[in-house]
Amino acid sequence: EADIYQTPRYLVIGTGKKITLECSQTMGHDKMYWYQQDPGMELHLIHYSYGVNSTEKGDLSSESTVSRIRTEHFPLTLESARPSHTSQYLCRAAAGGRLTHSDEQFFGPGTRLTVL
Amino acid sequence: AQKVTQAQTEISVVEKEDVTLDCVYETRDTTYYLFWYKQPPSGELVFLIRRNSFDEQNEISGRYSWNFQKSTSSFNFTITASQVVDSAVYFCALSEARVPLLETSGSRLTFGEGTQLTVNP
Repeated sequence: EADIYQTPRYLVIGTGKKITLECSQTMGHDKMYWYQQDPGMELHLIHYSYGVNSTEKGDLSSESTVSRIRTEHFPLTLESARPSHTSQYLCRAAAGGRLTHSDEQFFGPGTRLTVL
Repeated sequence: AQKVTQAQTEISVVEKEDVTLDCVYETRDTTYYLFWYKQPPSGELVFLIRRNSFDEQNEISGRYSWNFQKSTSSFNFTITASQVVDSAVYFCALSEARVPLLETSGSRLTFGEGTQLTVNP
């Protein structure tokens, strides 16, 4: 069972608000990722981290920022939310190192963000 | 650059029918991993399978089976005797693995566009 959590699950906010989407994992995995998914569409990588103090931008340009101060947390922040940020945000954690049979791909349950 | 194509945007079947979801990929890597995920209406992604590029054996898990054809760069997914609970969006994904002995499947994933499967009673 995956031990990766995202809060909040649903968020409706007004334009201009600052928000932080939380992602936490208890598996001790080094690699963490944020994906953005519009309804009915494919997932796009917006940020990733290969360990503490490591963050990189993904394939899709995003106005959000991330931090990785601790292995278990990978929060995503929008300084000033806009309607164009309305989407689902999915967090993923994966192990680094040698492949094992139990090395599954864990995604969090997602945060559905609506910006009015 | 990597690319995953799921040409079938939507598929609708009647319960108990077999259904195959197509996935075609492009990569310059000789070592890579392929995945299938299920996304029910609740939105979470459910891991179904991972295959590495070295292993072309087909796999069966209950009503699910996967056909990996490296020669045609395809990794198709078949559901046998479909059920209403199979209704979901299914994503095929590809990740690189440049150093096979050291790198895990924890690399970046490139997703296909997804196929919406509806199984009607």
